[in-house]
Amino acid sequence: DVKVTQSSRYLVKRTGEKVFLECVQDMDHENMFWYRQDPGLGLRLIYFSYDVKMKEKGDIPEGYSVSREKKERFSLILESASTNQTSMYLCASRTPLAGGRVAQYFGPGTRLLVL
Amino acid sequence: QKEVEQNSGPLSVPEGAIASLNCTYSDRGSQSFFWYRQYSGKSPELIMSIYSNGDKEDGRFTAQLNKASQYVSLLIRDSQPSDSATYLCAVRYNQGGKLIFGQGTELSVKP
Repeated sequence: DVKVTQSSRYLVKRTGEKVFLECVQDMDHENMFWYRQDPGLGLRLIYFSYDVKMKEKGDIPEGYSVSREKKERFSLILESASTNQTSMYLCASRTPLAGGRVAQYFGPGTRLLVL
Repeated sequence: QKEVEQNSGPLSVPEGAIASLNCTYSDRGSQSFFWYRQYSGKSPELIMSIYSNGDKEDGRFTAQLNKASQYVSLLIRDSQPSDSATYLCAVRYNQGGKLIFGQGTELSVKP
């Protein structure tokens, strides 16, 4: 079974704090993704990475950065947390299948509250 | 802008009925299609994938793809209260591409 884990299920931080969200997958996947999910806005892609030390901006990268130093770990960093970053954060990992197909799996999510 | 559209619902069906969830997409170049189920407060779970026109069945779930009409649907037979969740449609447009998600359809199965 594919396993994607995230460091925290719930997190409460203060405005201006630096926040690290960690994601680890145990299946040697190359592709990893960070999304946030908000009511009425759906899933929005923040950043993704196709390999170690590679990163690409998604649809809403402002206020975020990422780090991929090892293949199994993809970190999302909020340099200075703001209240509008209160959200559910979802990490995903993707595996290639035969014939150019893929399967993408999500971690359990981190619900972040910024006060 | 590539888009994936779903009716937000809620879609309410009685227990034992067939639930039909629909999704349309904007780009004819799309290659892969996925259905995720998301329970309230939980993360999305991959339940079906389909890559070619026609039907694909897995237990009580059937995914249907019609590339000419640019829609993909999910049928849930013998719906159970435990099927109550939000169902997300996702589309992948090219070999290395990101998944584009719809807003999700909320399904409620009444006992």
